[in-house]
Amino acid sequence: QQQVKQSPQSLIVQKGGISIINCAYENTAFDYFPWYQQFPGKGPALLIAIRPDVSEKKEGRFTISFNKSAKQFSLHIMDSQPGDSATYFCAASSRGSTLGRLYFGRGTQLTVWP
Amino acid sequence: DAGVTQSPTHLIKTRGQQVTLRCSPKSGHDTVSWYQQALGQGPQFIFQYYEEEERQRGNFPDRFSGHQFPNYSSELNVNALLLGDSALYLCASSADSGGAYLTDTQYFGPGTRLTVL
Repeated sequence: QQQVKQSPQSLIVQKGGISIINCAYENTAFDYFPWYQQFPGKGPALLIAIRPDVSEKKEGRFTISFNKSAKQFSLHIMDSQPGDSATYFCAASSRGSTLGRLYFGRGTQLTVWP
Repeated sequence: DAGVTQSPTHLIKTRGQQVTLRCSPKSGHDTVSWYQQALGQGPQFIFQYYEEEERQRGNFPDRFSGHQFPNYSSELNVNALLLGDSALYLCASSADSGGAYLTDTQYFGPGTRLTVL
C-alpha cells in the first residue's frame, strides 16, 4: 500500500512558469514532510521540508503548501528554469511511530523547456 | 565537510551471488538508513541502524542484512541475489535527535547501482 501518493507522474513546463506537484497521505501520525530533488545517476537531495504546524514554507523559488485537514501537501516551483529539470519526490515520516523512516511518493519527472 | 559517501559506485553480479555495499555517514550523524530504488520508482526503506543495532526494518526478506560499526559507518549485505534486486541502493544518514525538531533530516549518498545478470 502506497503511504504517500504523488501526482502528476510527469510535468512539462515552459521556462518562467510555475510547476506544481501534489502529494496526499493517510497516516495522521506523519509529522515531517520533505521534498527531494534527484538528477539522473545521483542520490536524492533535500530541497525543502515542512512540519504540520505551519501551512506554508518558502525558500527562494520553492514553496510547500500544507493542508493538514485534507492530508495533502504540494510543492510549487516559481519561475521554473531548465536547470530545475529533474525528478521530484515527496516523502513523509513520523519521529514517534516510524523513527524517521521516510515513505516516498512515486516521483514526478519535471521537464522545463527553455 | 564530506557528505554521505557510498562504495562502490557500480556493481555487476550474477544471480545467486552475494554483495556488500558500504556507506559512511555525514560527519556528526549516528543513524544510517538504507533504501532500494528501482528504476522509475521512489526509494523503498530497507532498514535503519542506530547504536550498531537494527532499529527498524521495512518489507524486505532476510536475504538483506546489515551492520553498523562503532564509527557509525554501515554495510548492506544481500545474499542469493535475484534479478529483481537490480536497483540503486541508497544510504541516508541522520542524527538521532531524541525528539528534537530539525535533526530528522536525512541526507542521501549518491547510491550504488547494482545490476544482477
